[in-house]
Amino acid sequence: QQQVKQSPQSLIVQKGGISIINCAYENTAFDYFPWYQQFPGKGPALLIAIRPDVSEKKEGRFTISFNKSAKQFSLHIMDSQPGDSATYFCAASISGNTPLVFGKGTRLSVIA
Amino acid sequence: GAVVSQHPSWVICKSGTSVKIECRSLDFQATTMFWYRQFPKQSLMLMATSNEGSKATYEQGVEKDKFLINHASLTLSTLTVTSAHPEDSSFYICSARAGLAPYNEQFFGPGTRLTVL
Repeated sequence: QQQVKQSPQSLIVQKGGISIINCAYENTAFDYFPWYQQFPGKGPALLIAIRPDVSEKKEGRFTISFNKSAKQFSLHIMDSQPGDSATYFCAASISGNTPLVFGKGTRLSVIA
Repeated sequence: GAVVSQHPSWVICKSGTSVKIECRSLDFQATTMFWYRQFPKQSLMLMATSNEGSKATYEQGVEKDKFLINHASLTLSTLTVTSAHPEDSSFYICSARAGLAPYNEQFFGPGTRLTVL
């Protein structure tokens, strides 16, 4: 049973546009929600993360919005650039030494 | 900071041989490391959780006798694929939990591409 559902599977956005990727989780014990960016043939890189005590976190062009009651969180990439073209994974975990649970990933293509 | 390295970055081996992959945290101590495998265009699949000085905890369906994990120090974990077969060909990625961070912040290595002929 997939604990973190991610959508869409793929996304094409015009350069300068806003990319939005959504995730929903089931386990209310999750208290850490990171997003990872992965380029082909590379390991995932931590992009931004949020904890449930805040509803939004912004770092540069990347923003996480978090809705605890709906058990949803999303990644917004403002002013999307071709260099943002990658696969993005949302994840969730319970604080401590528990493993991350990953979504299935979203392949983002930013076209000029 | 928070750099994780893997060696080798890619390896090709013959069926039946064993392959060792190293994962190192370069600038922090990692009490816990995780090993994942990833097939093309798919998500990361957790194989095992490795705590320094103790036996690894394997996920359901992962053969512990085939995928040997050793976490001998706070900066090094190794994954040995024993008697590798073509179906073991995959992208293997490790991650390390950053020390005593209260939340489960993990940093990933660059991955190792294993091809078994």
